[in-house]
Amino acid sequence: SAVISQKPSRDICQRGTSLTIQCQVDSQVTMMFWYRQQPGQSLTLIATANQGSEATYESGFVIDKFPISRPNLTFSTLTVSNMSPEDSSIYLCSVGGSGSVEQYFGPGTRLTVT
Amino acid sequence: ELKVEQNPLFLSMQEGKNYTIYCNYSTTSDRLYWYRQDPGKSLESLFVLLSNGAVKQEGRLMASLDTKARLSTLHITAAVHDLSATYFCAVGTAGGTSYGKLTFGQGTILTVHP
Repeated sequence: SAVISQKPSRDICQRGTSLTIQCQVDSQVTMMFWYRQQPGQSLTLIATANQGSEATYESGFVIDKFPISRPNLTFSTLTVSNMSPEDSSIYLCSVGGSGSVEQYFGPGTRLTVT
Repeated sequence: ELKVEQNPLFLSMQEGKNYTIYCNYSTTSDRLYWYRQDPGKSLESLFVLLSNGAVKQEGRLMASLDTKARLSTLHITAAVHDLSATYFCAVGTAGGTSYGKLTFGQGTILTVHP
């Protein structure tokens, strides 16, 4: 299995500011995925991050709002830019298991925008 | 566009009773996942189902997959309070560069009463 850590675990931010969330995996993975879980809702995929290439964003999500970096095979960051209260959510990164179909999730970053 | 629907969305059970959560999806997929989420926590992987007729069991939970009907079930046997949580099914996108992308159902909030 993959062990995933995220920083910060939670934060309270002011409207109009930006927050960068870090995701660290204990093994090298090809793809990393960023999901959003709005309060009381299910999970929605934001983007897929491959090392060495631009992230691929899902419909409704744009790079200017959610820029992603993937500098190596064990690390990725997601920035939530120019935040509004509607961005208050849990943001989770996810990776696939090496040689398996398992998909693992990090502990999540709980973001509150005031 | 892949759609995943769970029902029921809310399930209140008595301890000792049996019940089933249903997960329907709209297009062909090669992977079906079940996750558990406790309040304020990340997702815990329960089952991955890969083929038609697949059945997996762990304790009081049993999951099955019918790819022809595009239906998975999560059966709960003799429920206990510790099973109270939100249960998500998620469908994996088949093959290619999108391997690992998951589309989630709405989630089923399960509460087990004494």
